Amino acid sequence: GQQLNQSPQSMFIQEGEDVSMNCTSSSIFNTWLWYKQDPGEGPVLLIALYKAGELTSNGRLTAQFGTTRKDSFLNISASIPSDVGIYFCAGPLWNKLVFGAGTILRVKS
Amino acid sequence: EAGVTQFPSHSVIEKGQTVTLRCDPISGHDNLYWYRRVMGKEIKFLLHFVKESKQDESGMPNNRFLAERTGGTYSTLKVQPAELEDSGVYFCASSPRGQTYNEQFFGPGTRLTVL
Repeated sequence: GQQLNQSPQSMFIQEGEDVSMNCTSSSIFNTWLWYKQDPGEGPVLLIALYKAGELTSNGRLTAQFGTTRKDSFLNISASIPSDVGIYFCAGPLWNKLVFGAGTILRVKS
Repeated sequence: EAGVTQFPSHSVIEKGQTVTLRCDPISGHDNLYWYRRVMGKEIKFLLHFVKESKQDESGMPNNRFLAERTGGTYSTLKVQPAELEDSGVYFCASSPRGQTYNEQFFGPGTRLTVL
């Protein structure tokens, strides 16, 4: 089946640093979604991308839909302690979502 | 408005026992999904209900898993008998009628540990 490869698997950064993570697929997706899971909670949608090349921001978060439609990037600027969590990329496959394995983000203050 | 709720939040059982997980979707949401995340891996789709009907159960691992949504409201996911590899976090999500992937709201999950 379709698989999304996320990297890095985990990051441990200093508060204030910028963060970049990405997601690649062997297949084309027409939509890319980025979710964040806080400890003890379910995934929450951060950003949705619908068009190749699209760049969308949500506060300190910026995500891009790759021009090949096989990848997407998420950047977090000036990280803060509450950015801690697991970030998942996802793409729709008919009625369901296909997820990556997640990037664990830890922030050192 | 209340979000998606799941019960229990944690369950620890022994191999061979039965466990039933419950999901209450957002009121009025016709679509209900079950997903599972085994530790360190991706979140994987299990099945999709539209109201009380199973729309897609292609992700169900085997016949030890049984999902129901009687009356089209809450849903249960029963694992019988549980095996070690069933351990993981089971997420439920719901979305309104006509909306699918980008309008799925997730519950907090049930962490299942099979010993």
